[in-house]
Amino acid sequence: NAGVTQTPKFRILKIGQSMTLQCTQDMNHNYMYWYRQDPGMGLKLIYYSVGAGITDKGEVPNGYNVSRSTTEDFPLRLELAAPSQTSVYFCASGPPGAYEQYFGPGTRLTVT
Amino acid sequence: AQSVTQLDSQVPVFEEAPVELRCNYSSSVSVYLFWYVQYPNQGLQLLLKYLSGSTLVESINGFEAEFNKSQTSFHLRKPSVHISDTAEYFCAVRPTGNQFYFGTGTSLTVIP
Repeated sequence: NAGVTQTPKFRILKIGQSMTLQCTQDMNHNYMYWYRQDPGMGLKLIYYSVGAGITDKGEVPNGYNVSRSTTEDFPLRLELAAPSQTSVYFCASGPPGAYEQYFGPGTRLTVT
Repeated sequence: AQSVTQLDSQVPVFEEAPVELRCNYSSSVSVYLFWYVQYPNQGLQLLLKYLSGSTLVESINGFEAEFNKSQTSFHLRKPSVHISDTAEYFCAVRPTGNQFYFGTGTSLTVIP
């Protein structure tokens, strides 16, 4: 049981490039989330999903897109990377009712 | 939108001394409350949660938190800290709906 896995662990992007951050969970959780963590700012919700085929915006969705074609996977897409998207990105999943979340180890992204 | 305030960004404390990490939230409606811990270069781990019932909740490693509805607070306490408690601590709130809101975090440093 691997829990929540994220790839890659680190990535450096040039301004304007695109990339997809991968997130997979093996706990059969309905709920999945993407957060970004910036120093001194805590975690901000980017997007979340309550099940396959259903996604919704969080607090800071601009510049990102998501899809949820399966229960297990919830990729986050950056289309035109900007320096403001330099951050640590965490994926999380949770059981029905979303009373708690299980976090992945994070992806550290730098945009230069 | 919900806001979560962790007034203390850094808390240094000597080993075996007591500690309190403060958390206040803005909503007066029913909420679920959580404390997460983050060790360096790792994702967040659930420390404890309040969903309903007894206002005092405990974790397996000696932390406790008390839900105070009138003061909209959920402070985290431990009577005697260990070196291994050094970490970042995040308070989180889930009001009605599926979104979680996190505080900006408190860095706890235990001094030998």
